[in-house]
Amino acid sequence: QITLKESGPTLVKPTQTLTLTCTFSGFSISISGVGVGWIRQPPGKALEWLALIYWDDDKRYSPSLKSRLTITKDTSKNQVVLRMTNMDPVDTATYYCAHRRVGIGSSWDFDYWGQGTLVTVSS
Amino acid sequence: QSALTQPASVSGSPGQSITISCTGTSSDVGGYNYVSWYQQYPGKAPKLMIYEVSNRPSGVSNRFSGSKSGNTASLTISGLQAEDEADYYCSSYTSSGSLYVLFGGGTKLTVL
Repeated sequence: QITLKESGPTLVKPTQTLTLTCTFSGFSISISGVGVGWIRQPPGKALEWLALIYWDDDKRYSPSLKSRLTITKDTSKNQVVLRMTNMDPVDTATYYCAHRRVGIGSSWDFDYWGQGTLVTVSS
Repeated sequence: QSALTQPASVSGSPGQSITISCTGTSSDVGGYNYVSWYQQYPGKAPKLMIYEVSNRPSGVSNRFSGSKSGNTASLTISGLQAEDEADYYCSSYTSSGSLYVLFGGGTKLTVL
């Protein structure tokens, strides 16, 4: 059974760096084809894809946020970490981590999601 | 890169069929068969309903189907049920500028 759970601060100040941790079980990110991504959703708004890390440490970032994002993995701890620098009130959102569906060939969708964690940016 | 375009809302009566569109460009929806659809209830995480344009994950009702024509993908829900009332998001792989994923703006489905 695959599960994921996000953890991190619920409140950050503008200009601070946000660090979120995704702790997962039921799969290993060291296995070929596996990936974990981050997606966010501002209150009442649409989903926004942020970043994805693969089993081989390949990484993909949203171009609009690439300069502020860093995604890393700790295979031994079954964790993926997302760092976002220079936080702003517009970054207030629920942040989700999710498991990349493993299929034949490439896949760009997520079949298991964490419950999400609401991060508020305010002074 | 702009988000994919979805209607803000659609509605239908129980038993009817509805279709939600998702319009992109030749760099995303039209260029690749990596269109997905997610269902999201208020306060809950999204759930994958369709992947690679028309494939259903195990456990998803066959009342949900997906298709694509040109730069527009569609999600059709047949035999509408009250439990289908939710927000629906499309997503697509894009090669515009970088290799990543775009989401649509979301569509609120109301079951009358």
